[in-house]
Amino acid sequence: LAKTTQPISMDSYEGQEVNITCSHNNIATNDYITWYQQFPSQGPRFIIQGYKTKVTNEVASLFIPADRKSSTLSLPRVSLSDTAVYYCLVGSTYSGNTPLVFGKGTRLSVIA
Amino acid sequence: NAGVTQTPKFRVLKTGQSMTLLCAQDMNHEYMYWYRQDPGMGLRLIHYSVGEGTTAKGEVPDGYNVSRLKKQNFLLGLESAAPSQTSVYFCASRNLNRDRGLTDTQYFGPGTRLTVL
Repeated sequence: LAKTTQPISMDSYEGQEVNITCSHNNIATNDYITWYQQFPSQGPRFIIQGYKTKVTNEVASLFIPADRKSSTLSLPRVSLSDTAVYYCLVGSTYSGNTPLVFGKGTRLSVIA
Repeated sequence: NAGVTQTPKFRVLKTGQSMTLLCAQDMNHEYMYWYRQDPGMGLRLIHYSVGEGTTAKGEVPDGYNVSRLKKQNFLLGLESAAPSQTSVYFCASRNLNRDRGLTDTQYFGPGTRLTVL
């Protein structure tokens, strides 16, 4: 399994764009990158997933460079409600019997 | 469509007692997982299942047992609870799309908060 490294915590003011970078140096050809968000006292929920280049949905954007050894989750104009822990996971449906591993994630605190 | 449900939501046990946590999903997913999350920590995988009748150990399986007799249910058992098992337990199910362009997603339940005295 590709190991991921991401910052332990980040602080941001409301209205700013937040970028959280995840390193995954040994990502395999069939691996994709997925980000989850977890609010206090809730289970994680899916935010975005990508394989290469850029993916955008109504919540976030995911930037993946050509070498795919890192990825950046971008949250535009954060609000207080974006305060949560964000997890970066790397895995493949072609090795589905190997479960995805959640690390400690990045704790984002949004300040008014 | 309820997604993933967990029962009970809260439980207090005394050391040595046993209990079973139930996870149910109505999305026809093959893969199901049990995690524990301690305060300020990430999720650690206890056991998982890749289909009905199968189970496998995760990172921290000691002290727990699981069963997947029906595809929609995944049970986590504590035979003799210990204070170290005080935690929040999350169940998840996963759809495994093997076509690029479709999303491979884990869906989580609301959690069970367990305290062992």
